[in-house]
Amino acid sequence: GAVVSQHPSWVICKSGTSVKIECRSLDFQATTMFWYRQFPKQSLMLMATSNEGSKATYEQGVEKDKFLINHASLTLSTLTVTSAHPEDSSFYICSARGQVQETQYFGPGTRLLVL
Amino acid sequence: RKEVEQDPGPFNVPEGATVAFNCTYSNSASQSFFWYRQDCRKEPKLLMSVYSSGNEDGRFTAQLNRASQYISLLIRDSKLSDSATYLCVVNRNTGKLIFGQGTTLQVKP
Repeated sequence: GAVVSQHPSWVICKSGTSVKIECRSLDFQATTMFWYRQFPKQSLMLMATSNEGSKATYEQGVEKDKFLINHASLTLSTLTVTSAHPEDSSFYICSARGQVQETQYFGPGTRLLVL
Repeated sequence: RKEVEQDPGPFNVPEGATVAFNCTYSNSASQSFFWYRQDCRKEPKLLMSVYSSGNEDGRFTAQLNRASQYISLLIRDSKLSDSATYLCVVNRNTGKLIFGQGTTLQVKP
């Protein structure tokens, strides 16, 4: 199946710093990428949908100024958690979908711990 | 009410047992349906799509009842390696995936 990578796989940072997470589709062009967040023992919650070359669409309740998403190329999307706080500690997962396929391929996720 | 509801379990079963998971969804406009598997601290992986006619993949059988907005997954002859969380996933007509909370399965020797 298609491969999606995420970097970093885990990050620990101090409260107030910003953290950038990269999501790359390695062997296909991803016209759409999705960003999810998962808290312990809860389901994946869709945060936003990003289409290459356009602004991301955020789900209700997700602050677009706090979670900055950039999808500048067909193989890369980035999520920046600005001024991170302990409540932002979570498992962040991206997925990518190509032009002709319905299937979404998930990245391995990034664990963020804000102290 | 959550858009996709699952019994979180855990389901503890012995090796070789047959186990069934159920899921209900509330949005009747949902277009496609899936079961994903998620291992501890890992990303979800697609297990199988679910069709109204029912579909089978080895020991796994999935069924969709659109009238009742109900999805099921049956696992026969459980293996230790089947221990995981099984996520019921619905694709809205916008293409967005909506995940259930997941059902945890523990297969014991």
